[in-house]
Amino acid sequence: GENVEQHPSTLSVQEGDSAVIKCTYSDSASNYFPWYKQELGKGPQLIIDIRSNVGEKKDQRIAVTLNKTAKHFSLHITETQPEDSAVYFCAARYNKLIFGAGTRLAVHP
Amino acid sequence: DVKVTQSSRYLVKRTGEKVFLECVQDMDHENMFWYRQDPGLGLRLIYFSYDVKMKEKGDIPEGYSVSREKKERFSLILESASTNQTSMYLCASSLGTGGKPHEQYFGPGTRLTVT
Repeated sequence: GENVEQHPSTLSVQEGDSAVIKCTYSDSASNYFPWYKQELGKGPQLIIDIRSNVGEKKDQRIAVTLNKTAKHFSLHITETQPEDSAVYFCAARYNKLIFGAGTRLAVHP
Repeated sequence: DVKVTQSSRYLVKRTGEKVFLECVQDMDHENMFWYRQDPGLGLRLIYFSYDVKMKEKGDIPEGYSVSREKKERFSLILESASTNQTSMYLCASSLGTGGKPHEQYFGPGTRLTVT
């Protein structure tokens, strides 16, 4: 069945460093790849998404890359700040969203 | 701003009780979803609805049912709560236009404990 694997499960970086989270998906028909950020006590919130006709998308300090051949996509956060600390979820969609297990990112001042 | 509200932030119920979780969205979205979130498992889809009175099973529907009598309200029902249904429950909504994927907006979640 459809599956999304996300790595790492936890990530600890120093403020100002970059952070990379990687996901792989199983359904080659997937055409939409959003990333959600969940802060403590809140529901997930969309931070960036990419569709299958695009290889890379950037929004200020965050970027997402997509390799459809390898069925990989990644989230890149540059110049990390303490407020980036949260749980991040990737997802892939064909007829419904399938979420990864999540990555807990800690940014230390 | 889109707002998705859930009736309770925390809920404690006993095994065998019937439990209702309510979700309301204020943006006239067609699609509504119920997920459960468990550590190490991410978000798993329980049920979703593309229209009033319409419902579709997600990946883990067993032990749950839903009701959508009005467009803005989507209820999740645990017919007979069990301890393995202790979890965080998240409701979400999105626009629904011809199958094109749209951002899902999530509520703050209900942490349910079944004892």
